[in-house]
Amino acid sequence: DQQVKQNSPSLSVQEGRISILNCDYTNSMFDYFLWYKKYPAEGPTFLISISSIKDKNEDGRFTVFLNKSAKHLSLHIVPSQPGDSAVYFCAASDRGSRLTFGEGTQLTVNP
Amino acid sequence: DTAVSQTPKYLVTQMGNDKSIKCEQNLGHDTMYWYKQDSKKFLKIMFSYNNKELIINETVPNRFSPKSPDKAHLNLHINSLELGDSAVYFCASSQRPLYNEQFFGPGTRLTVL
Repeated sequence: DQQVKQNSPSLSVQEGRISILNCDYTNSMFDYFLWYKKYPAEGPTFLISISSIKDKNEDGRFTVFLNKSAKHLSLHIVPSQPGDSAVYFCAASDRGSRLTFGEGTQLTVNP
Repeated sequence: DTAVSQTPKYLVTQMGNDKSIKCEQNLGHDTMYWYKQDSKKFLKIMFSYNNKELIINETVPNRFSPKSPDKAHLNLHINSLELGDSAVYFCASSQRPLYNEQFFGPGTRLTVL
């Protein structure tokens, strides 16, 4: 019973183009969502987050969109750079309770 | 000056052995966590300590026992290792309990033969 799902195990884009990573959740009590980025042999690092009272949050090249009615969020990276190649994890929490992670999407940005 | 460190990075051992993984954070955080990343790549929380007090204890076999000697350290001891314990174990910390933004260590890859 996975409450957070990332249905695309991998995504490949060209440098300079937009990368869109998707995440779906089933628990309507989730009120805070985060994206983590993970390089090989390293731990996940926090990238960007969004509260359920917002539908968009932007930080430089990274924007997270939240569609509560569809229980869907996405991470947009524009423009994509080769250094963005990593595994991206979506995570969600319910009123500050434990984080529930998705299974990750491997992003490859080709030069 | 690593924020969250774990030792060892790799651990290969035989079934039935007892092993420990150590974790230290120098961020001054009050709360620390242990996560397990299984073969399907999901990160699942196992334990959380706040100021040396256990606050989260997920459904984990009793063979797993966390120990927090002080708020900067959270070690994981595993007794009678089984094949299914093979995974990557991540330590993490946050400013306060269940604070969403958590800082992760590099992980310990445990292989049980």
